[in-house]
Amino acid sequence: QQQVKQSPQSLIVQKGGISIINCAYENTAFDYFPWYQQFPGKGPALLIAIRPDVSEKKEGRFTISFNKSAKQFSLHIMDSQPGDSATYFCAATGGTNAGKSTFGDGTTLTVKP
Amino acid sequence: DTEVTQTPKHLVMGMTNKKSLKCEQHMGHRAMYWYKQKAKKPPELMFVYSYEKLSINESVPSRFSPECPNSSLLNLHLHALQPEDSALYLCASSQDDLGGTEAFFGQGTRLTVV
Repeated sequence: QQQVKQSPQSLIVQKGGISIINCAYENTAFDYFPWYQQFPGKGPALLIAIRPDVSEKKEGRFTISFNKSAKQFSLHIMDSQPGDSATYFCAATGGTNAGKSTFGDGTTLTVKP
Repeated sequence: DTEVTQTPKHLVMGMTNKKSLKCEQHMGHRAMYWYKQKAKKPPELMFVYSYEKLSINESVPSRFSPECPNSSLLNLHLHALQPEDSALYLCASSQDDLGGTEAFFGQGTRLTVV
């Protein structure tokens, strides 16, 4: 049973546009929701993270929106740039085996110049 | 220093070989992880060490043997691997394994089993 569902699988956006990636979770014990950015051949790197007591967190061009009642969270990339082209994974931790990160399946973002 | 360093970056090994992957962090983190990642897939947890003790083994075949010699080092010993074990092997660390904090990932070891 997949505990974190991520969509879309792939996304193509023009330079300067807004990229939106959505995730939904099932386990209400999750209490930390990071987003990771991964470039080909590299390890995932933390982009931004949120806890469920906050509805929105913004860091530069990256914003997480969190809807606790709907058990959904999303990543918005404003003014998308070609250098943002990468695979993005949402994740969740908490509850039993709290250190274990449960990942979404990933979204491959391509930003066209 | 927020780095997790993995060596080697690339490894090609035969099915009868024995090799080891190494991981090192100096952030004072007490939880360390091994993940396996196939192309276009999310990282898949293999092992978790908490305070140098194995706390989670996700039913990984015995041909993969983890070792945590001290709080900064994590090894993954490989023996009699199969071609389907070819993947990117990622090491990560976090403050502890209680959740609620970010995991720092290394760059990975690209393993090819021939």
